[in-house]
Amino acid sequence: EVQLLDSGGGLVQPGGSLRLSCEASGFTFSSYAMSWVRQAPGKGLEWVSGISGSGGSTHYADSVKGRFTISRDNTKNTLYLQMNSLRSEDTAVYYCAKEQTLGGQIDYWGQGTLVTVSS
Amino acid sequence: DIQMTQSPSTLSASVGDRVTITCRASQSIHSWLAWYQQKPGKAPKLLIYKASSLESGVPSRFSGSGSGTDFTLTISSLQPDDFATYFCQQYDSYSWTFGQGTKVEIK
Repeated sequence: EVQLLDSGGGLVQPGGSLRLSCEASGFTFSSYAMSWVRQAPGKGLEWVSGISGSGGSTHYADSVKGRFTISRDNTKNTLYLQMNSLRSEDTAVYYCAKEQTLGGQIDYWGQGTLVTVSS
Repeated sequence: DIQMTQSPSTLSASVGDRVTITCRASQSIHSWLAWYQQKPGKAPKLLIYKASSLESGVPSRFSGSGSGTDFTLTISSLQPDDFATYFCQQYDSYSWTFGQGTKVEIK
């Protein structure tokens, strides 16, 4: 059974940093691209960042480029999102997401971890 | 970035109704479109990928169609479990982008 366990969210002040983690199990982690998708309270979904199975290719939404860094450790089956220079508009539930082969559609999601940026 | 526009934003319907939600892309995305269902407090669930392919385990009352810039999600006979918010997503080119969502409410 595929499982994605998101963690690392919390309350942080504007300008602060946070690192999210996503522990994966139930599939060959290194074979699949992964993404982070966020959802601000009461709002829609926003794709944040994606990484290839090997980790050699990364992509970012313009809203986070230069502030967030996605990475993965295939020996630990874990996905990360390092978030720096956080802003109030980054407040959201962050979901770890597994992409299907041959496409960017997401077939499995983590339970989400809440990041609140506030003073 | 490719913009995705969904309509309507809210839809009121009754059990048994045929429901149609549309999604328009700002440029051609070929057939690289997915549809998701989300219920309050839960992660989204994949329904349709590559515009018209039904994800395993999803009831056959859900169907998708379209290519290029115009796409449709149809629920042939709305069931009580289908009241939720639906999102489209393009994955033709990074950044992936989602539509703003369509909330299907009980009439």
